Amino acid sequence: QQQVKQSPQSLIVQKGGISIINCAYENTAFDYFPWYQQFPGKGPALLIAIRPDVSEKKEGRFTISFNKSAKQFSLHIMDSQPGDSATYFCAASMRGSGNQFYFGTGTSLTVIP
Amino acid sequence: KAGVTQTPRYLIKTRGQQVTLSCSPISGHRSVSWYQQTPGQGLQFLFEYFSETQRNKGNFPGRFSGRQFSNSRSEMNVSTLELGDSALYLCASSFGQNQPQHFGDGTRLSIL
Repeated sequence: QQQVKQSPQSLIVQKGGISIINCAYENTAFDYFPWYQQFPGKGPALLIAIRPDVSEKKEGRFTISFNKSAKQFSLHIMDSQPGDSATYFCAASMRGSGNQFYFGTGTSLTVIP
Repeated sequence: KAGVTQTPRYLIKTRGQQVTLSCSPISGHRSVSWYQQTPGQGLQFLFEYFSETQRNKGNFPGRFSGRQFSNSRSEMNVSTLELGDSALYLCASSFGQNQPQHFGDGTRLSIL
């Protein structure tokens, strides 16, 4: 069963707009939530990550919003650029799991110039 | 600082053969994890090694195995290859448990 559910599957945004990708989880033992960006032919690159003791983390144009009670977290990409066109994955892990990360199914983002 | 290096980048094998993939982690990282990425199943965890010991294993058959050497480099082996093993195999390294994982660019394995 999918431990981390990600939506939407694909997203098209105009240049300068805000891209929003959502993820939800059930396992309350998860305590680390990273987001990865993957370009064709490349491995996933760590973008930004959050732990559940904070509700928001911002790095440049990328922001993670975390809602512990709803068991949801989201990635916001402000001022989206064509160079942001890639596949984005959310993930979750927990202590004691031997570094096993559970990934969402991915969101293909296309930013139109 | 060098990133995670995976070799080879591409491999073509036939059914029934076996294959060994290699991963060199970021210097200082002692945890190495392996993932299989396919369009249908996404990113799935294979196993993780820390200080030469396998700490966790995903839901894959015993044909998939791995090991880690004292310098933290890791290898993954798949025996009796099947068509369904065609995938991108990714290696990720980190300092330890529940820490940021950094991925290599993967080995693209194609089974004919």
